[in-house]
Amino acid sequence: NAGVTQTPKFRILKIGQSMTLQCAQDMNHNYMYWYRQDPGMGLKLIYYSVGAGITDKGEVPNGYNVSRSTTEDFPLRLELAAPSQTSVYFCASSYSLAGGEEQFFGPGTRLTVL
Amino acid sequence: AQTVTQSQPEMSVQEAETVTLSCTYDTSENNYYLFWYKQPPSRQMILVIRQEAYKQQNATENRFSVNFQKAAKSFSLKISDSQLGDTAMYFCAFKFRAGDKIIFGKGTRLHILP
Repeated sequence: NAGVTQTPKFRILKIGQSMTLQCAQDMNHNYMYWYRQDPGMGLKLIYYSVGAGITDKGEVPNGYNVSRSTTEDFPLRLELAAPSQTSVYFCASSYSLAGGEEQFFGPGTRLTVL
Repeated sequence: AQTVTQSQPEMSVQEAETVTLSCTYDTSENNYYLFWYKQPPSRQMILVIRQEAYKQQNATENRFSVNFQKAAKSFSLKISDSQLGDTAMYFCAFKFRAGDKIIFGKGTRLHILP
């Protein structure tokens, strides 16, 4: 299993540009998550999904959009990039969170907005 | 709102020593899970250990153990016989038993010195 994969690993955007961060998992997990990690900070939840076709906002959703058309994929869309969106973005998945199941994380995407 | 506080931004210990990382949390709920995640320089987040709040026995995983004090809302991580590979950022995290989101602390950067 590849686990959770993210592309790209690095990206530099200009202010106002848009892009999509890709995330895929091959573990047949129902739950998928997008986090951002700012320097010296913990992870903040952007959006999450409990299954195909179902998404919900996390703590910091402004400036982002998501979709979940399949169980495997959970892309994160940035519209009109701003310097405040400079961060490392992590995608994660878990089979369920009914108990204390582990979240499996991707390797992250480092995004810089100039 | 639930919060997770890690009061030690950074720590350094010599290889083979024992180190304890602190974590406190705030919740009025009774059923929840607590986690410690490790983020090495590679950025890959890895689950180190988890604790179920209704279990009084402290969780252990090889050299890693926790001191869970439910009344004090404290959840510290002890690393015994520390190794160079333990150098990483460590995040304490909280999740309601029936919830679908994990709340992360800001992390403690741990350096193991040769």
